Amino acid sequence: DADVTQTPRNRITKTGKRIMLECSQTKGHDRMYWYRQDPGLGLQLIYYSFDVKDINKGEISDGYSVSRQAQAKFSLSLESAIPNQTALYFCATSARDRANEQFFGPGTRLTVL
Amino acid sequence: AQSVTQPDIHITVSEGASLELRCNYSYGATPYLFWYVQSPGQGLQLLLKYFSGDTLVQGIKGFEAEFKRSQSSFNLRKPSVHWSDAAEYFCAVGAYGGSQGNLIFGKGTKLSVKP
Repeated sequence: DADVTQTPRNRITKTGKRIMLECSQTKGHDRMYWYRQDPGLGLQLIYYSFDVKDINKGEISDGYSVSRQAQAKFSLSLESAIPNQTALYFCATSARDRANEQFFGPGTRLTVL
Repeated sequence: AQSVTQPDIHITVSEGASLELRCNYSYGATPYLFWYVQSPGQGLQLLLKYFSGDTLVQGIKGFEAEFKRSQSSFNLRKPSVHWSDAAEYFCAVGAYGGSQGNLIFGKGTKLSVKP
């Protein structure tokens, strides 16, 4: 079984809809991250969480919110999706003592029409 | 500010040829450096990492990278490329300060392999 899982893997939605992307991990890591990937732009950090009560904005948090329901679960929400949020979204985790060494989920491809 | 530059957007090499992917970073201290690979339709997989010590690091799948502080570089190499190496490669540097633990990624280099 994969250590970091993301659901759904693919999603098509319409402008203005609320959507939630979910991430779960079995690695026992404290830290979790949400990234967005656009072609030619690499990965950009949306939000990160160092533990359940510590959530921080990344470089592109506008239009997104997150919830850390438990150590193993970190959800990303788009309250009112817009077409330029069409992208590939990745969740990642890392251990507290090796914080930079991140492990990635398989990604969710989101299309906003 | 910390940054990572991958000068080559797309590289094509013949199968069996050697490979070098370039990565330059901007950082105020000793960096933590990483190379990740993303195969089509897949997530990112860690190839190798540099934290300290020997500046030549070995990774998975026959890859290696050399940290050169004087050139602010961390180039990825492989002596003989296989068709399965076709993928996108990302260099990353670990952030410090208030964002300690975060990664800053380059924009990636797409590798194509000719038969």
